Amino acid sequence: QKEVEQDPGPLSVPEGAIVSLNCTYSNSAFQYFMWYRQYSRKGPELLMYTYSSGNKEDGRFTAQVDKSSKYISLFIRDSQPSDSATYLCAMSPNSGGSNYKLTFGKGTLLTVNP
Amino acid sequence: DAGVIQSPRHEVTEMGQEVTLRCKPISGHNSLFWYRQTMMRGLELLIYFNNNVPIDDSGMPEDRFSAKMPNASFSTLKIQPSEPRDSAVYFCASSFPELYQETQYFGPGTRLLVL
Repeated sequence: QKEVEQDPGPLSVPEGAIVSLNCTYSNSAFQYFMWYRQYSRKGPELLMYTYSSGNKEDGRFTAQVDKSSKYISLFIRDSQPSDSATYLCAMSPNSGGSNYKLTFGKGTLLTVNP
Repeated sequence: DAGVIQSPRHEVTEMGQEVTLRCKPISGHNSLFWYRQTMMRGLELLIYFNNNVPIDDSGMPEDRFSAKMPNASFSTLKIQPSEPRDSAVYFCASSFPELYQETQYFGPGTRLLVL
């Protein structure tokens, strides 16, 4: 079983739709959970991160973590064509200085159609 | 700030040739990472430097790969000899100390094709 599983998509939605992106993981040591956005032919950029379980909201983006189910989600409200990108989840432990070690999902390709 | 700078942006080479990828981290960042991204395996950490010292090279695939960081503003990743299976996008990222979780800032990547 891979440490982090992410549906690669592709996911295509109309402008204004609510988008739900998800990852599951197997390593219970993961404490930090991140979402990166990667535009075509660019490097990933950090969108949001959360620590342990709970929700975090930033504008149109909401990140949720359910550690009991080992499941994380990213919701995008009122999606825009500029949101079209690949979204990667990433996770790291919080032990002994190893929080640098990010384990990434393979990414979900999202297209928002005008 | 210009962000993380990588060169070259694209590299096409023949099997057996030496390939050198270069990275300039963001000024003031003391951690540097090299990643490789492929469709099959996704984004994988190859090596992590802290204060110019290699801390974790467990992701380096084999002895053909080597990385150096001679100073705080420059790092190289070298593949010698290169093989077709090394074809991938190689990213460099840097970060600075934060209280809880360091944010890694990625460069634009180098697209490597080994024929």
